[in-house]
Amino acid sequence: AQSVTQLDSHVSVSEGTPVLLRCNYSSSYSPSLFWYVQHPNKGLQLLLKYTSAATLVKGINGFEAEFKKSETSFHLTKPSAHMSDAAEYFCVVSLSGSARQLTFGSGTQLTVLP
Amino acid sequence: EAQVTQNPRYLITVTGKKLTVTCSQNMNHEYMSWYRQDPGLGLRQIYYSMNVEVTDKGDVPEGYKVSRKEKRNFPLILESPSPNQTSLYFCASSLGSNTEAFFGQGTRLTVV
Repeated sequence: AQSVTQLDSHVSVSEGTPVLLRCNYSSSYSPSLFWYVQHPNKGLQLLLKYTSAATLVKGINGFEAEFKKSETSFHLTKPSAHMSDAAEYFCVVSLSGSARQLTFGSGTQLTVLP
Repeated sequence: EAQVTQNPRYLITVTGKKLTVTCSQNMNHEYMSWYRQDPGLGLRQIYYSMNVEVTDKGDVPEGYKVSRKEKRNFPLILESPSPNQTSLYFCASSLGSNTEAFFGQGTRLTVV
C-alpha cells in the first residue's frame, strides 16, 4: 500500500522569503513522486517529478524537491516566494509497476504575504 | 495543443437525474482516470482505465460508472446522483501508470 502525508495544511510566507512544503510518503516499493500545483479555479499542473534518477529534482518556476529515502520525505522548496506562487500544492506518489495511477496528499495551501 | 478536455465545467442537477461528464484527450495516452476533489481530502481516484475496454475501481467508486470504448474518451456516469456527490471532478490521462498525468480543467458538480 502507498500513502502520502502533507504535514501542513496551510503555510504562510512573506514575499521574497523561502518556501518549504513538507511531504512524507509510505510505499513498499520504489516510488515515483510528484508535486502538482493548483491555482484557484484551474486544473493541476506538474511542478516536478522524481523517478529514481537524481535525488535533487528541479522543477518549474524555481521550485525544487529532494528525495530522502532514509526519511521517506520529498519536501518542496523555493528560495524566494513570489506572489504568483500562492496556490494549493499536492504531493503525489505513484507505486512503481502498479497499474493504478496516483495517490494524492491532502494538499497544502500556500499564502504569500506582501 | 496537447490537452485533456472535460465538459461541462459547471453543472447543477437534482437528486436522481442521470448525468454524464465527458473527458477526451488528444495525446494517445493509454491511462485515464477520474478523481474527485473535496476540501481537506486532496484528490481521490474514482475509476481508472489502462486501455480500451479495460477499467477498474479506484478508492471511491460507489455511485459512479465509466466506460472506455475509444482510447481518447473516458466518460464518467452518475446513474442516480446524490448530494454527497457534490464535488470537483478531474479527469487525467498519462502514458503509463507512474508517469506524469495531464489533468482537465475540472467539472464542478452540485447535486441538490
